[in-house]
Amino acid sequence: GAVVSQHPSRVICKSGTSVKIECRSLDFQATTMFWYRQFPKQSLMLMATSNEGSKATYEQGVEKDKFLINHASLTLSTLTVTSAHPEDSSFYICSAGGWGRGTEAFFGQGTRLTVV
Amino acid sequence: ELKVEQNPLFLSMQEGKNYTIYCNYSTTSDRLYWYRQDPGKSLESLFVLLSNGAVKQEGRLMASLDTKARLSTLHITAAVHDLSATYFCAVDGNNDMRFGAGTRLTVKP
Repeated sequence: GAVVSQHPSRVICKSGTSVKIECRSLDFQATTMFWYRQFPKQSLMLMATSNEGSKATYEQGVEKDKFLINHASLTLSTLTVTSAHPEDSSFYICSAGGWGRGTEAFFGQGTRLTVV
Repeated sequence: ELKVEQNPLFLSMQEGKNYTIYCNYSTTSDRLYWYRQDPGKSLESLFVLLSNGAVKQEGRLMASLDTKARLSTLHITAAVHDLSATYFCAVDGNNDMRFGAGTRLTVKP
């Protein structure tokens, strides 16, 4: 099946710094990618829909100025957590494919962000 | 707003037993997915259900979809320890996608 690669898998950063997470579709073109956040022992919460060549669509309650999404090519979307704080510590997962087209969605490996 | 309710949230089973996880959703959709997540890992796709009456089976797991009842089930047959994980259903509601809360399954010897 299709592969979505997410990097880094783990990152520890200091409070107030910014962290960039990359999500790549390795063998298919993804005009749309999705970013999720998952807190321990909870479900996945959709943060935003990343659209190639246009602005991302954010879910209600997600700060677009804090979680910057760039989808500059058909194979790469990035999520930048700006001015990170300890409460931003979470598991971030991207996905591509599926959703709205009835095909399988593929998920990246996830990024464990710890803000200290 | 699309809502997805999954139950039970926690399930402790003995090896060899059968059980069913339920996924109800609130709006019309004929696209439902089941995923498995192991601790510290991302999601692994199990089943993609795309029509009313769809039934798919893989090993000891079988998933079905009833779009009229807005219900999907994930049935576990003769559970084994390797099935211990968290299982999520997810519903695609045309640009409004939601995950269930997840069912944490523990299979005990």
